[in-house]
Amino acid sequence: DAMVIQNPRYQVTQFGKPVTLSCSQTLNHNVMYWYQQKSSQAPKLLFHYYDKDFNNEADTPDNFQSRRPNTSFCFLDIRSPGLGDAAMYLCATTQGGTHYEQYFGPGTRLTVT
Amino acid sequence: AQSVAQPEDQVNVAEGNPLTVKCTYSVSGNPYLFWYVQYPNRGLQFLLKYITGDNLVKGSYGFEAEFNKSQTSFHLKKPSALVSDSALYFCAVRDGEGGSYIPTFGRGTSLIVHP
Repeated sequence: DAMVIQNPRYQVTQFGKPVTLSCSQTLNHNVMYWYQQKSSQAPKLLFHYYDKDFNNEADTPDNFQSRRPNTSFCFLDIRSPGLGDAAMYLCATTQGGTHYEQYFGPGTRLTVT
Repeated sequence: AQSVAQPEDQVNVAEGNPLTVKCTYSVSGNPYLFWYVQYPNRGLQFLLKYITGDNLVKGSYGFEAEFNKSQTSFHLKKPSALVSDSALYFCAVRDGEGGSYIPTFGRGTSLIVHP
């Protein structure tokens, strides 16, 4: 089945230790998003790609970076995680220019110790 | 600009009773409206959407939603709730004109179905 995969599902990192979360998709969608979600709140958009074009939300901290080496893969890098970065990180995809809904991965739960 | 309001943080309903989760929206163009469900420690799952056409849309797991343009609402409904419907529900809107692909999410409504 076509899907969005996130690895790992659970990630524990130490304060200040860089961490990378990964997302892959088999849907061949051209838009990929990264969201941060804290304690049952609405997902907060960090950035998204439309094809190779990177779009950063204005209030996304510089501590967060992203890479999309090809259509299928997207990475979220947190350069120096703080305690406040502990959250669920959700990857989603859609096909831009259509009325498609978003397809979400299962999420990565990040714990910062 | 686009926005979504989910006025209820939590909805409680007894199993077997009908349920409604409310959503109102604001968008400058044509609304594309979506409902998603999220179970604990999982990603969001798509339930249904309104793009155009019939105001009553049917989706997964027996859910439906009614688009009301005059009231700018898109309430989620189910005739008979199940305990397994207990989850977090998000309404989202996109502006269908201009090719917007960035949705705005409501704050979410926790649905609790009591046995």
